[in-house]
Amino acid sequence: DAKTTQPPSMDCAEGRAANLPCNHSTISGNEYVYWYRQIHSQGPQYIIHGLKNNETNEMASLIITEDRKSSTLILPHATLRDTAVYYCIVAMTGGTSYGKLTFGQGTILTVHP
Amino acid sequence: GAGVSQSPRYKVTKRGQDVALRCDPISGHVSLYWYRQALGQGPEFLTYFNYEAQQDKSGLPNDRFSAERPEGSISTLTIQRTEQRDSAMYRCASSLEPGYGYTFGSGTRLTVV
Repeated sequence: DAKTTQPPSMDCAEGRAANLPCNHSTISGNEYVYWYRQIHSQGPQYIIHGLKNNETNEMASLIITEDRKSSTLILPHATLRDTAVYYCIVAMTGGTSYGKLTFGQGTILTVHP
Repeated sequence: GAGVSQSPRYKVTKRGQDVALRCDPISGHVSLYWYRQALGQGPEFLTYFNYEAQQDKSGLPNDRFSAERPEGSISTLTIQRTEQRDSAMYRCASSLEPGYGYTFGSGTRLTVV
């Protein structure tokens, strides 16, 4: 699986948009970009995933650059409950390891009042 | 069930004992994954199943670790002759199909003394 690079930490003011970047310059054509987050000691929570088009759901938006070498997760109106570790993961769309996710260190997002 | 259920929540065992950790995935979910997470680290892949077939066990640290999912539903992760370095949070996740978002359970905190 392609490696991802994320900043170790970011801050955001409550009510503002949180934009979390991720670099995945070695991504191949059949790899998806996934985002998960982990709040304190809870299990990781799925947020969103995409292949090449921008995606939006009730939690967040995912913007993938045209060359697919980087992406940004956008939380449009961050709240204190969004404070968490955010993981950007690139994973295969086929083969015997299809669905297997390799978590890195992630970005610690702290939302301030 | 409504979510992924893991049992026990906490397990303290003496070094050298065998332990069995259970995961009950969301009903109808094809894929089941086992991860291990040390404090301050992201989840580390151990193994995964589609239905009853073990697709990938490349993350199992050594031959003391094994997993099964005999009827394509409940899975058991077994650690034989436990060692202190096996102490960690063991997390199970399931997904509707490979490539879909995971739902994680609350985990089993294993402590080997």
